[in-house]
Amino acid sequence: QQKVQQSPESLSVPEGGMASLNCTSSDRNFQYFWWYRQHSGEGPKALMSIFSDGDKKEGRFTAHLNKASLHVSLHIRDSQPSDSALYFCAASEGNSNNRIFFGDGTQLVVKP
Amino acid sequence: DTTVKQNPRYKLARVGKPVNLICSQTMNHDTMYWYQKKPNQAPKLLLFYYDKILNREADTFEKFQSSRPNNSFCSLYIGSAGLEYSAMYLCASSRPLGGRYAEQFFGPGTRLTVL
Repeated sequence: QQKVQQSPESLSVPEGGMASLNCTSSDRNFQYFWWYRQHSGEGPKALMSIFSDGDKKEGRFTAHLNKASLHVSLHIRDSQPSDSALYFCAASEGNSNNRIFFGDGTQLVVKP
Repeated sequence: DTTVKQNPRYKLARVGKPVNLICSQTMNHDTMYWYQKKPNQAPKLLLFYYDKILNREADTFEKFQSSRPNNSFCSLYIGSAGLEYSAMYLCASSRPLGGRYAEQFFGPGTRLTVL
């Protein structure tokens, strides 16, 4: 069973709108969560990390973590066409080898 | 410089032939990883080097080999390619000390097509 599940598979929002991406883990050993973003033709790049319950805001991006339910979300306000990309949720147990497990990704399209 | 480089970007291989993919980084990262990425699937960890120690995932143990001749370079080797090996192969590295908070830096990937 895949340890990290993401929804929706794809999402289309108008420019200036709010995009909300969701992620759930099935492994209670996971303590550390990331959002990675991959633009076409590039490798994934870390967008945000969140390790504590609650919200973490960086500019237009807000991540929310609920460790009790192992649910992580990413909200993008004032979405821009440049935000169009594949977004991965990733989780880690936080041990020394730094293995992280990815979800299948959410394809976000922001339409001008 | 936070660049991870991969060569080649595209690789065409014949069934049954060997494949060797190359990755390099100049960030002095102690850990380097190889992932396999297929369409609509999550990147799947194949193996990683922590310093000079190779760790291979149990379900792909016999399919992939790797070498790390120095801190900067890491290769992924497929001894006999099958059609199921067609995928994007992503190399990544993480910061010194391999701390639990360390993000991974990814290269652009090598797209392998096996015919």
